[in-house]
Amino acid sequence: DVKVTQSSRYLVKRTGEKVFLECVQDMDHENMFWYRQDPGLGLRLIYFSYDVKMKEKGDIPEGYSVSREKKERFSLILESASTNQTSMYLCASSYTGPDEKLFFGSGTQLSVL
Amino acid sequence: LAKTTQPISMDSYEGQEVNITCSHNNIATNDYITWYQQFPSQGPRFIIQGYKTKVTNEVASLFIPADRKSSTLSLPRVSLSDTAVYYCLVGETSGGYNKLIFGAGTRLAVHP
Repeated sequence: DVKVTQSSRYLVKRTGEKVFLECVQDMDHENMFWYRQDPGLGLRLIYFSYDVKMKEKGDIPEGYSVSREKKERFSLILESASTNQTSMYLCASSYTGPDEKLFFGSGTQLSVL
Repeated sequence: LAKTTQPISMDSYEGQEVNITCSHNNIATNDYITWYQQFPSQGPRFIIQGYKTKVTNEVASLFIPADRKSSTLSLPRVSLSDTAVYYCLVGETSGGYNKLIFGAGTRLAVHP
């Protein structure tokens, strides 16, 4: 089975801190994604990556950056955390193809105080 | 904006068959239709995928008409544990890449 591992299940940070959310997948997938999920708003795509050192903006990239130095690892960075970034963050990976399927991690619930 | 439209919520009772229809009027020729299930505090998980006609697996069936502008997820004989949010996805090409955008999903509540 594909395993997508997110480094933390729960995280509490203070406003203005730099926050790193890490995600690792073990199936040699080319593609990796970061979503955030808020009540009533569903899943929203922040950034995605189709190759090492490559990144593309999703629908809500403002306030975030990403890093993909190795194929299996995709990091989401909050340069200066704000309270409106309190959310559930979900990482996913997939292989390339028209029948692409997403495999998700368990999520990181981030609270910014 | 998501390319799909689904009912916001549905209610059912244990043992009934549930059909959730998704509209995707602008589906591209190469797009597959994929359904995911999400329980509270978990990431979505893949249920079923299809391109045309009918697909069945151990969990669900997926019906896709010839024009592919909609699809119907069918859950036979639901149980309480099928209470979840169900998402329908089709690809959305952006810059040559498949940008996977989720819609609002359908919140299914199964009652005893």
